[in-house]
Amino acid sequence: EAGVAQSPRYKIIEKRQSVAFWCNPISGHATLYWYQQILGQGPKLLIQFQNNGVVDDSQLPKDRFSAERLKGVDSTLKIQPAKLEDSAVYLCASSLTSGLAKNIQYFGAGTRLSVL
Amino acid sequence: QKEVEQDPGPLSVPEGAIVSLNCTYSNSAFQYFMWYRQYSRKGPELLMYTYSSGNKEDGRFTAQVDKSSKYISLFIRDSQPSDSATYLCAMSAGGGSNYKLTFGKGTLLTVNP
Repeated sequence: EAGVAQSPRYKIIEKRQSVAFWCNPISGHATLYWYQQILGQGPKLLIQFQNNGVVDDSQLPKDRFSAERLKGVDSTLKIQPAKLEDSAVYLCASSLTSGLAKNIQYFGAGTRLSVL
Repeated sequence: QKEVEQDPGPLSVPEGAIVSLNCTYSNSAFQYFMWYRQYSRKGPELLMYTYSSGNKEDGRFTAQVDKSSKYISLFIRDSQPSDSATYLCAMSAGGGSNYKLTFGKGTLLTVNP
C-alpha cells in the first residue's frame, strides 16, 4: 500500500514570497489533514478535510494560508505572503472515516520550508 | 497550562535499557491515545494506539493509560539503537467527524550501542 505522498520535500523562499505544497493521501482515505511542525514542537493541526469539505480550520491563519481539496483526493496548501515564522515542516496525514480506524492518521514525510 | 505536556528530554540510554516515556494532559474529553515515532527528517509513524484506560503490549513496546490521573506512558524494553528517534504522544477526543490530534512536544531518545 502506497503511503501519503508530499512534494516538494524542501523549499527555501524569501519572506513575502508565496509557496504551495502538494499532498496525495493513501488511496481510499477520505479524511486529510495538514499539520505545521515547528522545530522542537509537536505537529499542530492547520486544517482537516473530509472528502472535499472542511471539517476544522480553526487554527489556519486565514489571512495568509489557504488550502483546497477540489476532487476529494489531492490537496494543496498555500502560503501567501510567507513570514519568517512560517519556517517549519508541513505534514500531510490521511485517515479512514469509519470505525476505530478513523482515529489512526498516517503521515507523509513532510515539506521542510525555510523562509529567509 | 498546555493541553498535553511531554518532557522533551533529550534522553540517552545504553542499549538494552528499559525506557519510560510519559505525557500528562488536562482535557478530560480525550479518549484515544497514541504514540508516534519520528525519525529525523521523516513523518511521524504510528507506534501504539489505545482507547480509554488500560495497557496494551506490542512486542517490546507497552502503552499505559491512566485516565484518572490524566497520565500516559510508553515503555520500551531491551532498547535498540534503531529505537533512537523522537517519540510523540498524541490524543483525540473523537466524536462526530473531528478526530483532531493534539500532540506533545516529543521526547528525543538516543540509544547508545
